[in-house]
Amino acid sequence: DAGITQSPRYKITETGRQVTLMCHQTWSHSYMFWYRQDLGHGLRLIYYSAAADITDKGEVPDGYVVSRSKTENFPLTLESATRSQTSVYFCASSEYPYEQYFGPGTRLTVT
Amino acid sequence: ILNVEQSPQSLHVQEGDSTNFTCSFPSSNFYALHWYRWETAKSPEALFVMTLNGDEKKKGRISATLNTKEGYSYLYIKGSQPEDSATYLCASGKAAGNKLTFGGGTRVLVKP
Repeated sequence: DAGITQSPRYKITETGRQVTLMCHQTWSHSYMFWYRQDLGHGLRLIYYSAAADITDKGEVPDGYVVSRSKTENFPLTLESATRSQTSVYFCASSEYPYEQYFGPGTRLTVT
Repeated sequence: ILNVEQSPQSLHVQEGDSTNFTCSFPSSNFYALHWYRWETAKSPEALFVMTLNGDEKKKGRISATLNTKEGYSYLYIKGSQPEDSATYLCASGKAAGNKLTFGGGTRVLVKP
């Protein structure tokens, strides 16, 4: 199916575990983004990528790692999950300078 | 203004009434102002992208204006309907790259 997908949609993990959230888009957009939804902050940018093998930090990158070996995929890894990383995570893609298209979100709970 | 700020945080509107709300953003190195509509349990969807001072965009009953010199944008909803109930996010992008800084959103509830 065309569009942007995220997996898993829901995840419960324990403190200290590594967890990877997947993002896949079929438009061949150059830019991809990871956001987290935090009460009172709206969406905050974690990492973004301008093209395959080009990534850069956003506003809240600590504790997260990204990679982008293929244009269509942009996985986000929490190296050692903490309770403060409990959130809803949105992936988005776009072509510059146009609007961003958001995935359905992944609800992550860290216990 | 250092960050993107939206006001009010929430508002209740009677069905049929018109309303508007504000997004303030840093005017230095400004490139683009985005508006997104975010319904509960869904993901944000783009409404407008504006880049030029004085820009006005319209989609149905929703319109937006942009003032880049003073760093603000207004979003207007004319004749509000219950389906307009959502959180409206604005985001500012700077000249370099495609990073957006989002405001906290204005949550709109339209009462029948």
